[in-house]
Amino acid sequence: AQKVTQAQTEISVVEKEDVTLDCVYETRDTTYYLFWYKQPPSGELVFLIRRNSFDEQNEISGRYSWNFQKSTSSFNFTITASQVVDSAVYFCALSEEYNQGGKLIFGQGTELSVKP
Amino acid sequence: DGGITQSPKYLFRKEGQNVTLSCEQNLNHDAMYWYRQDPGQGLRLIYYSQIVNDFQKGDIAEGYSVSREKKESFPLTVTSAQKNPTAFYLCASSITAASIIYFGEGSWLTVV
Repeated sequence: AQKVTQAQTEISVVEKEDVTLDCVYETRDTTYYLFWYKQPPSGELVFLIRRNSFDEQNEISGRYSWNFQKSTSSFNFTITASQVVDSAVYFCALSEEYNQGGKLIFGQGTELSVKP
Repeated sequence: DGGITQSPKYLFRKEGQNVTLSCEQNLNHDAMYWYRQDPGQGLRLIYYSQIVNDFQKGDIAEGYSVSREKKESFPLTVTSAQKNPTAFYLCASSITAASIIYFGEGSWLTVV
């Protein structure tokens, strides 16, 4: 069965601290995609990244970086030098290529609070 | 501007009434989706459509209905059969079913 687990419900940090959001997934497929989305207080989900299961290279985009490890079924997200504007709920999600056309399976979300 | 537009942003409904949430996209995407979000929880798929005039049930389709008569529109009707309709509803779309899924700003539905 497919499942995404974000064990951290809430994280609170002080501005400029680094913070890592954990994501562990379960799937029986060999071809799948992993996503991170950001949900600010306004409600919309903002796409951050998509990785496919054959690309385990870590990715860096500005202050954001992602660590994908198939051996531990994890896709962790790190924010370096956090800022107040990073405060949001972050969702990790899984999509299996041969499953119901693009269906995303979401984790419960991690609420990040960055205090000044 | 290109994007996904949901309306209304906030909606109140009396028990026993049906209500329709609008979702329009001008991104020329083939696939569209409806997700439901409850407080403190992740999103769950209600319905999805990969092409005009075709749609499939997601994980929690009971009490909901959709139509896909036009490529750009995918309205969701929350019927009186839905037992706990109060939630945040998010519409999404993607170029194809295998592409990145983009979301609208959501609609808050409260049943009073």
